[in-house]
Amino acid sequence: SQQGEEDPQALSIQEGENATMNCSYKTSINNLQWYRQNSGRGLVHLILIRSNEREKHSGRLRVTLDTSKKSSSLLITASRAADTASYFCATASKDNYGQNFVFGPGTRLSVLP
Amino acid sequence: ETGVTQTPRHLVMGMTNKKSLKCEQHLGHNAMYWYKQSAKKPLELMFVYNFKEQTENNSVPSRFSPECPNSSHLFLHLHTLQPEDSALYLCASSQDLVGTDTQYFGPGTRLTVL
Repeated sequence: SQQGEEDPQALSIQEGENATMNCSYKTSINNLQWYRQNSGRGLVHLILIRSNEREKHSGRLRVTLDTSKKSSSLLITASRAADTASYFCATASKDNYGQNFVFGPGTRLSVLP
Repeated sequence: ETGVTQTPRHLVMGMTNKKSLKCEQHLGHNAMYWYKQSAKKPLELMFVYNFKEQTENNSVPSRFSPECPNSSHLFLHLHTLQPEDSALYLCASSQDLVGTDTQYFGPGTRLTVL
């Protein structure tokens, strides 16, 4: 079963608006990471939030983590056309078989000028 | 761009060909990974190497054969592939095994199998 699942699958907003993407997961985690991918390129790490943290900021990015609801959100404020990309959450966890690192299917964000 | 390079960036091959993908990281990391990204599917972790030792093989078909000669280099040898193997193949590295570390990705190799 899929660990991290983002919603919405696609989001289209106007430049200057805020964009919120959500990620839900099923099992306990060590940390949750958000990545960005421009079309057909490699992924770029944005933020890592550990299981004992509730919120982190980096520039225009704000990530929250609610372990009781097994969910995280990524907020991009004052969006720009250059923010157009796919955004993925990835959960890092451990089980009896070792470490797991699972990406969700991603949210495709389009910021219109 | 991120200290992880991949070659070639694009590859077209027939089902009977043998080719290799190369990944090199200049970050001094100990762990390296191969991922497959197909259209409309989540990233799939294929192989994990830590200190040159393979620690994970996610039920990948034997037509994909990884090689890690040292902590900086990772290869993916391809032979008798199928058209459904067409995808973006991404290499990544991290300081140590996933669990606590950020992964740094290369730009990927776009593979098309005819």
